[in-house]
Amino acid sequence: KQEVTQIPAALSVPEGENLVLNCSFTDSAIYNLQWFRQDPGKGLTSLLLIQSSQREQTSGRLNASLDKSSGRSTLYIAASQPGDSATYLCAVLFSNQGGKLIFGQGTELSVKP
Amino acid sequence: EPEVTQTPSHQVTQMGQEVILRCVPISNHLYFYWYRQILGQKVEFLVSFYNNEISEKSEIFDDQFSVERPDGSNFTLKIRSTKLEDSAMYFCASSLIDRAFFYDYGYTFGSGTRLTVV
Repeated sequence: KQEVTQIPAALSVPEGENLVLNCSFTDSAIYNLQWFRQDPGKGLTSLLLIQSSQREQTSGRLNASLDKSSGRSTLYIAASQPGDSATYLCAVLFSNQGGKLIFGQGTELSVKP
Repeated sequence: EPEVTQTPSHQVTQMGQEVILRCVPISNHLYFYWYRQILGQKVEFLVSFYNNEISEKSEIFDDQFSVERPDGSNFTLKIRSTKLEDSAMYFCASSLIDRAFFYDYGYTFGSGTRLTVV
């Protein structure tokens, strides 16, 4: 069964710190991987999309990397701010799953002022 | 930036009642999806829809569920007889996939409908 796992489940850091969120997946045959942000009780906001042929994507203070062979992706957040506090979800589109995204359980990030 | 719009944002219904959740996908997207998230759990796939028919559905998507694209813009999820365990946040999503080049432009999700069955 294809699964996506995120570690840690929760993370609390002081403002200004750089941090890394981890995502692992069980099958290297993927089309792409997408990172989302979810605020409490709200929808999913796409942050970064990495295609299977890419190694990383950057948007502002966010950088996502992809290592298919080891089944891992990381989301790096530079100079964290209280406004970054949210749950970050990793979702994988596996090659044999049609259009079905498989989600991790998320990392709940709290950035303290 | 184009958005996926969902209505209503909250719905409370009595057990056994029918509910219809509505979505307006991004206009040039061709693939449409419903996902749900039970409180404290992972986001899970329900159904995908392409070319006016279901292309894939999960084991959750039983006979109580149906989807429809009644016109050129709306995409709906109907639950015929709601149960307590249907209480969740329901997300609609759409995507643009170029199947000729196997290129997926990624999903865009709506802000969700929180369904509470009492």
